[in-house]
Amino acid sequence: AQTVTQSQPEMSVQEAETVTLSCTYDTSESDYYLFWYKQPPSRQMILVIRQEAYKQQNATENRFSVNFQKAAKSFSLKISDSQLGDAAMYFCAYRSVWPDNYGQNFVFGPGTRLSVLP
Amino acid sequence: GAVVSQHPSWVICKSGTSVKIECRSLDFQATTMFWYRQFPKQSLMLMATSNEGSKATYEQGVEKDKFLINHASLTLSTLTVTSAHPEDSSFYICSARGVAGGTGELFFGEGSRLTVL
Repeated sequence: AQTVTQSQPEMSVQEAETVTLSCTYDTSESDYYLFWYKQPPSRQMILVIRQEAYKQQNATENRFSVNFQKAAKSFSLKISDSQLGDAAMYFCAYRSVWPDNYGQNFVFGPGTRLSVLP
Repeated sequence: GAVVSQHPSWVICKSGTSVKIECRSLDFQATTMFWYRQFPKQSLMLMATSNEGSKATYEQGVEKDKFLINHASLTLSTLTVTSAHPEDSSFYICSARGVAGGTGELFFGEGSRLTVL
C-alpha cells in the first residue's frame, strides 16, 4: 500500500518570503499522480498543483512550484512571495493510475499547517 | 474547474436523530463520489466510495448501517448519519471525479460540520 509522509506538522513564513513544504511517498508503482491540496480555515479543499509521474518537468502554477524527485520519491512544494491568504493546511496526496476506482487509492499525507507572518 | 457543492455546511442535531448531507456536482457528471471524515487537526479519512446506481463500498471499520450512502444520480450523492451520537460529531467532506478522462484530481465539496448534542 502507498503511504504519504509530511515531516513538518507546522511551518511559518514571513510575508513575501519563500517557503518549501516537504512530502515523501512510498510506492512500487511507476505511473501515478501527485497533488498538493490546500485547506484554508473555510475547510474546503482546493487543488494547488498536480504532477504526473511520467513527466520529468516540474509543475508550476504561478507562485507555486514543485520539486519532483521520482527516484527519491520526493514531492516538495515551494511557495514564492508568500501571501497572508496562503495560510492554510497543506496536504500532499498520491493517486494511483490503476485501478479505475481511485478513491480507494487516493492517499493523503497528514498535512502541514502553514502560517504566514505579516 | 469542476464545482462540487455540499449541503448543509453545518448542522447541529440531538442524539438519536438522523442527519442527511448532500453532495452535488454542479457542472459535471460524477460517476464516482467519495465521502471523507476529518477529525480536528488531522488528515482526511476515506469512509466510502459511492458509484452511481450501485451500492457504496465502505472502508474497513466504517459502519454501513450508521453511514448510509446513496448515489441515485450522476450529480448527487447523499450521506445519512443514522441515530447520530456525540462521537459522530465531525467534519464530513465529499469529493467527486468526472465521467471519463480527466486530470486525475478529485474535486471537493465545502464540507459539512456535524455536531451531535
